Amino acid sequence: DAGITQSPRHKVTETGTPVTLRCHQTENHRYMYWYRQDPGHGLRLIHYSYGVKDTDKGEVSDGYSVSRSKTEDFLLTLESATSSQTSVYFCAISRQSLGEQFFGPGTRLTVL
Amino acid sequence: GESVGLHLPTLSVQEGDNSIINCAYSNSASDYFIWYKQESGKGPQFIIDIRSNMDKRQGQRVTVLLNKTVKHLSLQIAATQPGDSAVYFCAENTGNQFYFGTGTSLTVIP
Repeated sequence: DAGITQSPRHKVTETGTPVTLRCHQTENHRYMYWYRQDPGHGLRLIHYSYGVKDTDKGEVSDGYSVSRSKTEDFLLTLESATSSQTSVYFCAISRQSLGEQFFGPGTRLTVL
Repeated sequence: GESVGLHLPTLSVQEGDNSIINCAYSNSASDYFIWYKQESGKGPQFIIDIRSNMDKRQGQRVTVLLNKTVKHLSLQIAATQPGDSAVYFCAENTGNQFYFGTGTSLTVIP
């Protein structure tokens, strides 16, 4: 998975609790992305980062926030998890903003 | 949002045959396309890409064809092997992000 790890790999939580997912890369790529993958939908962009402390929203950003304090780590936070946020979350990295993206192994999140 | 779809949700082929997976896209301004392979429980894996100034690009056992006139993309896999069984989906780049299709599930019959 191109030097990308995600943690945790699986998580079950309850509605209303905060959740933070971590993406860690060893490739020193500038761009990092968080996607969610749901049945019947293609991957959908939640947020992305184009550098340390530089982030922007994707098409499904409501209910999510991100932070990137160093090049190798990109955190996705659900401030108050809802059942609609049950999904598989993928982190991706790329050298260029419009270039090939390498994906992590994914985190399966279940919100009860 | 963008619409990236696939003509067939499932495809079964005999081992050794060629496979063709199709993808339609809606934005004529899209200028970069990628095919990904995703095995069960894993993240998407890059297969091949193509830019809009090209009609065809070949890799190892894979070929991508781009028809901009009808906004259609296809992935051809030669001599399909059991290890090719996976979900395949295309992605198009428009502006500052990619839009992904829902995928076609390819099953290779030994």
